[in-house]
Amino acid sequence: GDSVTQMEGPVTLSEEAFLTINCTYTATGYPSLFWYVQYPGEGLQLLLKATKADDKGSNKGFEATYRKETTSFHLEKGSVQVSDSAVYFCALSGDFGNEKLTFGTGTRLTIIP
Amino acid sequence: GAGVSQSPRYKVAKRGQDVALRCDPISGHVSLFWYQQALGQGPEFLTYFQNEAQLDKSGLPSDRFFAERPEGSVSTLKIQRTQQEDSAVYLCASSQARTGAQGLAKNIQYFGAGTRLSVL
Repeated sequence: GDSVTQMEGPVTLSEEAFLTINCTYTATGYPSLFWYVQYPGEGLQLLLKATKADDKGSNKGFEATYRKETTSFHLEKGSVQVSDSAVYFCALSGDFGNEKLTFGTGTRLTIIP
Repeated sequence: GAGVSQSPRYKVAKRGQDVALRCDPISGHVSLFWYQQALGQGPEFLTYFQNEAQLDKSGLPSDRFFAERPEGSVSTLKIQRTQQEDSAVYLCASSQARTGAQGLAKNIQYFGAGTRLSVL
């Protein structure tokens, strides 16, 4: 079945550092890929998505590129802020007719001033 | 409302009790999903509705779990004879259009804040 393997945390960085959170997936067909973020005390929010190979999703300075050849969707940000502290989840959904989300285990990110 | 609303936010149950968790999706959203999130883990799919039809219940862990959406809007997840292993956060998500519709872009799922269930 479909699965998502995500870089384990927790990750602690200093403000303005470069961030990478690795995500690889296993799926049949042509899944869509997502990054969701969960801020303390809040629900999951979509951060960015990509629906086909070589697409780049971007939002709030975060980027991720759908790499079919390496089955990866790594999350990057050039300069993190304290407000980026949260738990980040990589997820995929299947082809039409199977759009339930399969999530990774999450990576807790803490940014220190 | 503006977003997906879940109630209660917290529920404590004694082992063996029945519980009911409510989800109010975004108005007009056709698809509704339930997920279970254990501590320190990612959410795991439980079941999916398109309007009032339950099209996929492959993730329900046992026959003690039951979900319904009788009028195609509000949904209730019921857990009978709760066990300690049922302790988790239960998340509801809704999306705008039905899945499997040819030509539609992939639909974004909007999540509620969840119900944290603790079974003692």
